[in-house]
Amino acid sequence: QSALTQPASVSGSPGQSITISCTESSSDIGGHDYISWYQLHPGKAPKLIIYDVINRPSGISSRFSGSRSGNTASLTISGLQAEDEAEYYCSSYPTSTISVFGGGTKLTVL
Amino acid sequence: EVQLLESGGGLLQPGGSLRLSCAASGFTFSNFAMSWVRQAPGMGLEWVSAISSNSGSTYYPDSVKGRFTISRDNSKNTVYLQMNSLRVEDTAMYYCAKAPQRELRGTLFDYWGQGTLVTVSS
Repeated sequence: QSALTQPASVSGSPGQSITISCTESSSDIGGHDYISWYQLHPGKAPKLIIYDVINRPSGISSRFSGSRSGNTASLTISGLQAEDEAEYYCSSYPTSTISVFGGGTKLTVL
Repeated sequence: EVQLLESGGGLLQPGGSLRLSCAASGFTFSNFAMSWVRQAPGMGLEWVSAISSNSGSTYYPDSVKGRFTISRDNSKNTVYLQMNSLRVEDTAMYYCAKAPQRELRGTLFDYWGQGTLVTVSS
């Protein structure tokens, strides 16, 4: 099973844009459209913010966007806000049981 | 509004057993697969079990296979996680999560609960 590698931390100032990468250890990520991103705030329920690489669930701000290039998926947050400070996890779900989370990225808003 | 409310966490010794519950509301529970995901202190997310809408399919990673059992009662809108032979490394926040379809869909979850803490320590 492939592993997903994320940077441990990223940071940005309010109003800036940041990008979090998610690189799959094999070339499989470029062969399917099944990547999701989750936002975790301490003490709160995790939230799905991107699914199928580029789609936003209803109610998720358009400031969040997803993309993919080769075996790397990316989450971009534009117009950074203090409330965006959280942990972010990517996950790959190419089949019903072959599925994995990335190691997580801590976003700090300076 | 979709709500998932976990309960049953606590402090227990290695080798002990615990049953977690997740009460669901705000959607037709019997139409969707459900999962449990955990996060150990300072660590990442780990998918630890899943069950399809009609209980016909289940999933466990090797780390919990043979020790954890997921089940559901569609009449009570509740999913359970029976955890036996608990180890120190099972210490984590355990989240209940809803899949967007009847069958297992890997780690795609459209709603999560706030979690219940399980601590295994001697």
